[in-house]
Amino acid sequence: SQTIHQWPATLVQPVGSPLSLECTVEGTSNPNLYWYRQAAGRGLQLLFYSVGIGQISSEVPQNLSASRPQDRQFILSSKKLLLSDSGFYLCAWSAGRNEKLFFGSGTQLSVL
Amino acid sequence: DAKTTQPPSMDCAEGRAANLPCNHSTISGNEYVYWYRQIHSQGPQYIIHGLKNNETNEMASLIITEDRKSSTLILPHATLRDTAVYYCIVRVASGSARQLTFGSGTQLTVLP
Repeated sequence: SQTIHQWPATLVQPVGSPLSLECTVEGTSNPNLYWYRQAAGRGLQLLFYSVGIGQISSEVPQNLSASRPQDRQFILSSKKLLLSDSGFYLCAWSAGRNEKLFFGSGTQLSVL
Repeated sequence: DAKTTQPPSMDCAEGRAANLPCNHSTISGNEYVYWYRQIHSQGPQYIIHGLKNNETNEMASLIITEDRKSSTLILPHATLRDTAVYYCIVRVASGSARQLTFGSGTQLTVLP
């Protein structure tokens, strides 16, 4: 069966520090991968999605970047965190472009 | 993708059916209706989806009106664990790598 792993569960980082969140999927090949962010009490905002290795589409301009070095690995990064980067970050995958999404357990990021 | 309108919150008594409405009056013929739910501090979970016929699975039923401008998610016997934010999303089924856009959803509170 397919599983998605996302870590860490919580993270507290100072302003200006770098960020690296990792997400891996098991049990499937060539998944579509997504990074979402959710501010407190708000809906989900799509940040990035990827249909293949090295193929990243960005939905909103921001202080973050994403990379897909391997088929089932998706990384969210920042060189210098801002206070506004705080939020709940979710990784997700789908088997195809129009298939249902499966989400990871999320990372609660607090930038202080 | 068509936009959706959902009530911000609803209450339901434990053991009773929970009926969550969603309006999607601008839906087009090739757009599916998806429902997800998000329990606090977790990633969203897929519930059900449909195009124009009513659908049922082990979690819920989806009733789509004949004109497809609205739908209702039915949890037949709500339990306390069904307390969550429920998202109704419509999504085009096209050849592009489109993604699901999550709005604010409906906060369902199941009361003992």
